[in-house]
Amino acid sequence: DVKVTQSSRYLVKRTGEKVFLECVQDMDHENMFWYRQDPGLGLRLIYFSYDVKMKEKGDIPEGYSVSREKKERFSLILESASTNQTSMYLCASMGAGSYNEQFFGPGTRLTVL
Amino acid sequence: ELKVEQNPLFLSMQEGKNYTIYCNYSTTSDRLYWYRQDPGKSLESLFVLLSNGAVKQEGRLMASLDTKARLSTLHITAAVHDLSATYFCAVALGGSNYKLTFGKGTLLTVNP
Repeated sequence: DVKVTQSSRYLVKRTGEKVFLECVQDMDHENMFWYRQDPGLGLRLIYFSYDVKMKEKGDIPEGYSVSREKKERFSLILESASTNQTSMYLCASMGAGSYNEQFFGPGTRLTVL
Repeated sequence: ELKVEQNPLFLSMQEGKNYTIYCNYSTTSDRLYWYRQDPGKSLESLFVLLSNGAVKQEGRLMASLDTKARLSTLHITAAVHDLSATYFCAVALGGSNYKLTFGKGTLLTVNP
């Protein structure tokens, strides 16, 4: 089974702090994704990565950056957290040629005070 | 821009009843996915539909895809309480092999 893990289930940060969210997958997948999920808005893609050190912006990249130094790990960075970044953050991974089926981690609920 | 619309967004059913959730999308695609999310949990893959006319069934859930109508349905038969969850459809953008666009989700509550 594919396993996608995220570093924290719950996180509370203060406005202006730098925040790192970590995601690790154990299936040697090429593609990894970061989404945020907000009530009434569904899932929105922030960034994705299709290879080590490669990344592309999703639909809402503003205020976020990402890092992928190793194939199994994809990090989401909030350079200066703001209250409107309070949300559930979901990481997903997908293998090449797997018909886009994405496997999701448990999520990190981030609160920015 | 691909848009994915689900309806209804909220569905309250009695146990034993049947119902259908609809997923419409705006541009050509032949790859559609259904996910389930329990409260406070992550998304679990239910069905992967990859061609026109595809039909898949798992227990009391059956999903189908009509690419000409740009429509997928998730049919619930004889609902039970354990099916209470939020259901999302997601569509792969035509020509892309990795980007999904999600609907807003349908919150299903099955009452005894």
